[in-house]
Amino acid sequence: QVQLVESGGGVVQPGRSLRLSCAASGLILSTYGMHWVRQAPGKGLEWVAGISFHGRDKYYADSVQGRFTISRDNSKNTLYLQMSSLRAEDTAVYYCAREMSSSWMFDYWGQGTLVTVSS
Amino acid sequence: QSALTQPASVSGSPGQSITISCTGTSSDLGGYNYVSWYQQHPGKAPKLMIYDVNNRPSGVSNRFSGSKSGNTASLTISGLQPEDEADYYCSSFRSGHTLVFGGGTKLTVL
Repeated sequence: QVQLVESGGGVVQPGRSLRLSCAASGLILSTYGMHWVRQAPGKGLEWVAGISFHGRDKYYADSVQGRFTISRDNSKNTLYLQMSSLRAEDTAVYYCAREMSSSWMFDYWGQGTLVTVSS
Repeated sequence: QSALTQPASVSGSPGQSITISCTGTSSDLGGYNYVSWYQQHPGKAPKLMIYDVNNRPSGVSNRFSGSKSGNTASLTISGLQPEDEADYYCSSFRSGHTLVFGGGTKLTVL
């Protein structure tokens, strides 16, 4: 059974950094592209970043470009999102999601981890 | 990165059919068939309902169907059931290797 479990969320002050993790079980992470999607409280979904199965290709939304870094450790079956220079508008539930067949569509999602940026 | 355009809300009675539209541009919806639809119940993670415009993942009811014409995609739910009440989001690959979601549509089953 495929499971994605995010961790690392919490309350952080503006301008600080935070690293999210997404641990996968029931699948070999190295064979899939992976993504982060976030959802601000009461708002819609926003794609944040994506990474190819081998990790060489990385893509970012304009809103996080230069501040967030997506990475993966296939030996640990884990996806990461390093977030720096955090802003209040980054407050959201962050989901990791598995990309199906290099199609930019997501067939498995984690339960999400809440990041709150506040002083 | 502007979102795809969806109606904020739609409603229907049990047994009826509803359609949710999703409008983009030639740089996303109109230019690619990487169009998908997600269902999200309150407090839950999104669930993939339609991929590649009109394909259903295993386990998704055939009451859900998708289509696309030009820059507009549509999700149709037939035979509405109470458990269909949820938020629905469309998404599309966009040129430049990014992904864009619609603003979301709240479906109310009356």
